[in-house]
Amino acid sequence: EVQIVESGGAVVKPGGSLRLSCAASGFIFDDYTMHWVRQFPGKGLEWVSLISWNGDGTRYADSVKGRFTISRDNGKNFVYLQMTGLNTEDTALYYCAKGFSSSIRGSIPHWGQGTLVTVSS
Amino acid sequence: SYVLTQPPSVSVAPGTTARITCGGDNIGSKSVQWYQQRPGQAPVLVIRDDVDRPSGIPERVSGSNSGNTATLSISGVEPGDEADYYCQVWDSSSDHPVFGGGTKLTVL
Repeated sequence: EVQIVESGGAVVKPGGSLRLSCAASGFIFDDYTMHWVRQFPGKGLEWVSLISWNGDGTRYADSVKGRFTISRDNGKNFVYLQMTGLNTEDTALYYCAKGFSSSIRGSIPHWGQGTLVTVSS
Repeated sequence: SYVLTQPPSVSVAPGTTARITCGGDNIGSKSVQWYQQRPGQAPVLVIRDDVDRPSGIPERVSGSNSGNTATLSISGVEPGDEADYYCQVWDSSSDHPVFGGGTKLTVL
């Protein structure tokens, strides 16, 4: 059974930094693209970032480019999202999710339960 | 970047068919995914590649995609179908996924 568990969410001051972690199990981790998707309070979904199966390919939403960095450790089955320069508009529930295949395109069939990031002074 | 437009809300009576649209420029040339999100829960993929149902999704859930509109249809709507629904495609110009704004389905 696929399991995805996020951690690292916290309350942080504007301008601060935070690293989110995502532990994955139940599948061959290095066969799949991994994503971060966020959901603003009471609002819709916004895709944030993805990383290819081997870490060589990354993509970012314009809203986080230059501030967030995605990485993965295939030996430990972890994905990370390093967030810097946080502002109040980054306040959201952050989901880690597994892609459909090694391709960076396609659907996102498995999601964790999310970790909450609150940016507030 | 590519914009997906969904109606904010759709309301239907139990037992009828709900149709949720997702509009985009020539979206018929793209592969569309649909996700269901019940209150307090993570999204669940219900349709991938326009028409395919993942394992465990009932046959009364279906998708179509042509021209500038993709549609998610749910027949025999039940109270448990009440949720937010999001469409998603790959935006080739920005080279990443994009989501629609979501549609709240209310079962009257």
